[in-house]
Amino acid sequence: GENVEQHPSTLSVQEGDSAVIKCTYSDSASNYFPWYKQELGKGPQLIIDIRSNVGEKKDQRIAVTLNKTAKHFSLHITETQPEDSAVYFCAPPHGTSYGKLTFGQGTILTVHP
Amino acid sequence: DTGVSQNPRHKITKRGQNVTFRCDPISEHNRLYWYRQTLGQGPEFLTYFQNEAQLEKSRLLSDRFSAERPKGSFSTLEIQRTEQGDSAMYLCASSSVGRAGNTIYFGEGSWLTVV
Repeated sequence: GENVEQHPSTLSVQEGDSAVIKCTYSDSASNYFPWYKQELGKGPQLIIDIRSNVGEKKDQRIAVTLNKTAKHFSLHITETQPEDSAVYFCAPPHGTSYGKLTFGQGTILTVHP
Repeated sequence: DTGVSQNPRHKITKRGQNVTFRCDPISEHNRLYWYRQTLGQGPEFLTYFQNEAQLEKSRLLSDRFSAERPKGSFSTLEIQRTEQGDSAMYLCASSSVGRAGNTIYFGEGSWLTVV
């Protein structure tokens, strides 16, 4: 099965700083790479995703970069705000099965005002 | 688009009782998924449906668990003879195969506490 590792497990930054979370995966057949944000007591919310035919995607303050050779993809948040504080999960699917997501262990991001 | 809807949001039950959760997916989404999440962990895949057909089940889904999607719309997840280890958040998600690359959208989850 897919082996997913996410680093760091916790990340604390000052408001306005950037935050980077890295995810490594094992299944070379994976071709879809989403990031989810989960706030306390709520379900995961998709914030950005990328497919294997591109190396980078940006949406306002959030970006994802993909290195298929090294089998890792990263979430970049710039100009962090306190409302960015949450748990972030990478969740590449198992192989080409888009539906069977394999979630990382999560990164607790805390943005201090 | 009203999102994925789950109910009840919270359920406390005594060990040995049966519980049932309902999920209403985003309309016209043909795929529906169930995941389970325990405290401090990421969600884990349990099962998924395409229309009314249950296509895959995880080994996490013991024989006390049963999921249905009788008309290809809403789904139910039933847990029989609940155990304390069943305490978790049960997440439903849906997607539309062929649109937007099958992006998966989650509901807010149903919390189960077995006492």
